Amino acid sequence: AQSVAQPEDQVNVAEGNPLTVKCTYSVSGNPYLFWYVQYPNRGLQFLLKYITGDNLVKGSYGFEAEFNKSQTSFHLKKPSALVSDSALYFCAVRVMNSGYSTLTFGKGTMLLVSP
Amino acid sequence: DTAVSQTPKYLVTQMGNDKSIKCEQNLGHDTMYWYKQDSKKFLKIMFSYNNKELIINETVPNRFSPKSPDKAHLNLHINSLELGDSAVYFCASSQDGLDTHEQYFGPGTRLTVT
Repeated sequence: AQSVAQPEDQVNVAEGNPLTVKCTYSVSGNPYLFWYVQYPNRGLQFLLKYITGDNLVKGSYGFEAEFNKSQTSFHLKKPSALVSDSALYFCAVRVMNSGYSTLTFGKGTMLLVSP
Repeated sequence: DTAVSQTPKYLVTQMGNDKSIKCEQNLGHDTMYWYKQDSKKFLKIMFSYNNKELIINETVPNRFSPKSPDKAHLNLHINSLELGDSAVYFCASSQDGLDTHEQYFGPGTRLTVT
């Protein structure tokens, strides 16, 4: 089955420190990978995507993600965390279904940035 | 301007009732979706429409009936509501049905069935 896994339910980091939120994937063919963020009582917001090209993808709010084909990973990173980055982060992979695509989401990782 | 809007934001109702949730996007997108997010925040696709046509139905009970009067609107009607239907329902849209572009999500409708 094509899927993504987010092994951490929660990541805690102090403000100013670098952060990493992990994601691994399992798909047939070339993966299309996405990161979304959900703030409390809000809908999901797109952060970044990997379709093809450079393995290091830059996105919104200073986030970036590194695509690693050999490790089937797509970890989300930020060099210096802000308290306002505290939110629920979802990794997603495109799954093709009868010629159309859907996104399969991971279970989410809660990021808590302490002052 | 709100890109993807949903009404109502909150919906509290009793078991057995029928209710509808409305969704509108002003982005000119061809594809719209309904997702269900359960109490553990797990997010799952329910339906996908492309240019008013149903293209994905992820084994959702037939008590759930989506309707797309035009490509800017995708409504969700739920018959005979059950306790297990309590969740947050998100509408989303994207430029096409191929997910080469990001999806834009509405603010969600929190449905509570008592």
